[in-house]
Amino acid sequence: EAGVTQSPTHLIKTRGQQATLRCSPISGHTSVYWYQQALGLGLQFLLWYDEGEERNRGNFPPRFSGRQFPNYSSELNVNALELEDSALYLCASSLGLAGDTDTQYFGPGTRLTVL
Amino acid sequence: AQSVAQPEDQVNVAEGNPLTVKCTYSVSGNPYLFWYVQYPNRGLQFLLKYITGDNLVKGSYGFEAEFNKSQTSFHLKKPSALVSDSALYFCAVSGSFSGGYNKLIFGAGTRLAVHP
Repeated sequence: EAGVTQSPTHLIKTRGQQATLRCSPISGHTSVYWYQQALGLGLQFLLWYDEGEERNRGNFPPRFSGRQFPNYSSELNVNALELEDSALYLCASSLGLAGDTDTQYFGPGTRLTVL
Repeated sequence: AQSVAQPEDQVNVAEGNPLTVKCTYSVSGNPYLFWYVQYPNRGLQFLLKYITGDNLVKGSYGFEAEFNKSQTSFHLKKPSALVSDSALYFCAVSGSFSGGYNKLIFGAGTRLAVHP
């Protein structure tokens, strides 16, 4: 069974640009989560989507946004990039509201570098 | 504030010796507790979880953890360490306090180094 996949592996942008990160969940999972792993800040919850709806949001500014598509894949968009947005962005999936919501399985991450 | 603490930045163990990676939490209500491992340039890999029931939880690769409610701890253990266990270990907690059981709050991580 394929795990959570993320693309691209690496992304280099300049300050002020927009970044789009993509995630495909494990087959059968309807919930997708985004986390940021930044140096010195640890792992922080960003967003949770289930059945196409945003269900919960972490303490991040509105320029961090996303969406979930009908096939349950998800996109994270970061607008007006700042240097401190440089981090590893991890996507996770779980069975969603209709099932076992408590175990999240993570993808390999997208390393975003803002110059 | 709700928090998870991993008091050791690094743990060094000789191969074949038992290992313990510590985690304590400070949250209200009944938390769900998790351990994840991260290998270099990789995402997080789920090891085990405690939801309810038996305080001793067994997980992947021979790891286990013990939930201790009175000490608010959830230490990760393995009877005999392998060099391949060397990695970054994260403790995480979720619950109604975190805005829902779907929002994980992570500790800062503990780097485990197993020496031959």
